[in-house]
Formats: sequence, structure tokens, C-alpha cells
Amino acid sequence: DIQMTQSPSSLSASVGDRVTITCRASQGISNYLAWYQQKPGKVPKLLIYAASTLQSGVPSRFSGSGSGTDFTLTISSLQPEDVATYYCQKYNSGLALTFGGGTKVEIK
Amino acid sequence: EVQLVESGGGLVQPGRSLRLSCAASGFTFDDYAMHWVRQAPGKGLEWVSGISWNSGTIVYADSVKGRFTISRDNAKNSLYLQMNSLRAEDTALYYCAKDSVAGPLDIWGQGTMVTVSS
Repeated sequence: DIQMTQSPSSLSASVGDRVTITCRASQGISNYLAWYQQKPGKVPKLLIYAASTLQSGVPSRFSGSGSGTDFTLTISSLQPEDVATYYCQKYNSGLALTFGGGTKVEIK
Repeated sequence: EVQLVESGGGLVQPGRSLRLSCAASGFTFDDYAMHWVRQAPGKGLEWVSGISWNSGTIVYADSVKGRFTISRDNAKNSLYLQMNSLRAEDTALYYCAKDSVAGPLDIWGQGTMVTVSS
């Protein structure tokens, strides 16, 4: 089975900082990679799919890149409302999905 | 409004069974695959099971294979998860989620909590 590893597991940054989260697949998954945001006590929300396509309504400060095994989620200018846990998810195996362990983002 | 509403959670003893339901509205239910995803208290997201639009393809996580059964009734716009032989480690918030087409989950319910404890 393909494993998804996120790093770091948590980070603290200042408002306005550029934040980068990494997701690594144990085998190549092309661009079958999505990113979700889960704010405290809330339901997960789809941010990005196909590694770099922004879901409708998601602020443009969020971006995704990568292909194969290495992917990144970038927040270009961190805002207070971005405090959340972010998860990557692969979907290259039909209906079988796998999530990464999550990255908790806090404001310094 | 596109909506998923889960129900059926609760407190159950180890070894017992529980059936979760998810009622869909606001979209053409039988056009999409559906999934169950769970989240143990304070932990990350874990995909549990997925079912294709016509129930022709069904997959499970290894952690629940042989104990859980996913099903759907397109006439009732409903998704189900039959959970048997429940264990303490099945304690989690269970989300129903809509597949956007081939993988990303674009709509999530609010979840229903399952607690397995004696």
C-alpha cells in the first residue's frame, strides 16, 4: 500500500508569512493528490485537487504543486483564519483513498 | 443546498453492531461515488470505505475489512455503513463524503459520533 507522509506535523508562523507543507507518497501517484483544510471543531474542506487545481471559492493565497511522489501546499501570506490542520490525500487507486497524517498550522 | 446528514451513531459495547446512515440532498445522488471517513478523538482523518454510484465497486480499509459493510439506496438518496464486531479503536466521528469524480471529496457531512466502550 502507498503511504502518505506529511511534514512538518505542526508549525507556528506569523501573520503574513509564507507557509509550506510537504506531502510525500511512498510510490508515484502522478497528480492524484488533494489537500484539505480542517479548522478546529469543523468539517474538512477540499482546498486543492489534481495537485494544483484550486477548488472553487478557495482564496488564491493557497496553491499546490508537485507530481509523482513529492507535493507541496503553500500559503503565500498566512492569515489568522488559516489556523487549521491540513491533510493531503491520494486518490490514484480507484475508490481506495489514503490521507496523510496532517499538519497543524498555528499563528505565532 | 447540497447536504449530507449522518445519523445512527451512539454508545455501543465492544463486539456489538451499529448501522450508520447518511441522507443526501441537493445533488443527483446516483451520479457519484460515496465514502465513509472517520476521525478518532484528537487524531487525523482515516478513510474507511467507498462505494461506486451503482454499488458495482466497493472497497474497504484493511482496518475494517470483514467487519464493516457499505451500501447505498439510490432510490432513497441514502448511504449506509453496517458496523459489526465493533472494537474500542473504532471509536470516532464518522463522516459521510461525496466523491467529486474520481477521488477528491468535495462535500462532507457534519459527522456522527460512535463510541465503543463497555
